[in-house]
Amino acid sequence: GIQVEQSPPDLILQEGANSTLRCNFSDSVNNLQWFHQNPWGQLINLFYIPSGTKQNGRLSATTVATERYSLLYISSSQTTDSGVYFCAAHAGGTSYGKLTFGQGTILTVHP
Amino acid sequence: DAGITQSPRYKITETGRQVTLMCHQTWSHSYMFWYRQDLGHGLRLIYYSAAADITDKGEVPDGYVVSRSKTENFPLTLESATRSQTSVYFCAALPGGPETEAFFGQGTRLTVV
Repeated sequence: GIQVEQSPPDLILQEGANSTLRCNFSDSVNNLQWFHQNPWGQLINLFYIPSGTKQNGRLSATTVATERYSLLYISSSQTTDSGVYFCAAHAGGTSYGKLTFGQGTILTVHP
Repeated sequence: DAGITQSPRYKITETGRQVTLMCHQTWSHSYMFWYRQDLGHGLRLIYYSAAADITDKGEVPDGYVVSRSKTENFPLTLESATRSQTSVYFCAALPGGPETEAFFGQGTRLTVV
């Protein structure tokens, strides 16, 4: 099955800093999503982005499907951005939409 | 409101007991999934369902049973709970089909003592 790797595993920032999180995947994807898991454990959808670039406020994401990676950009980070960021991918075929998750990036933003 | 809900949010059970975690979604026809989240392993797929009465195993199905007699419900049963099944369980749905955005429930934190 598809392999999903995220980097870095941990990231510590001061409030106001910018950051880039990376997600590499081992196969062509029909679905690539970014999630934020907040301190209460909820998985919040950030982007559905199998290809191209999207922006939502201070967050943006780019997926280069041909090179098998996706990037999540966080600008002007805030303490509320802390948590774990996951990317998840679905390789298509007969896999019924099953998402494979990366191990996550733990982001800590200090005031 | 459209969405996906899990119950209970928290559950403590004893080793050997049967416990069922509930998942309900309001999109009617939808692919549905159960994942477990453990430290060091991220989220791993337990079972999934493409439609009513169509289910299949994921990566870590041992010790779990699922059913889907109604399209909106996808319960997960631990037939004889073990301490290794202490975890956070997430239900997910793809309301638009297999190549669309997935949505997750709030999670159920299960502790087996």
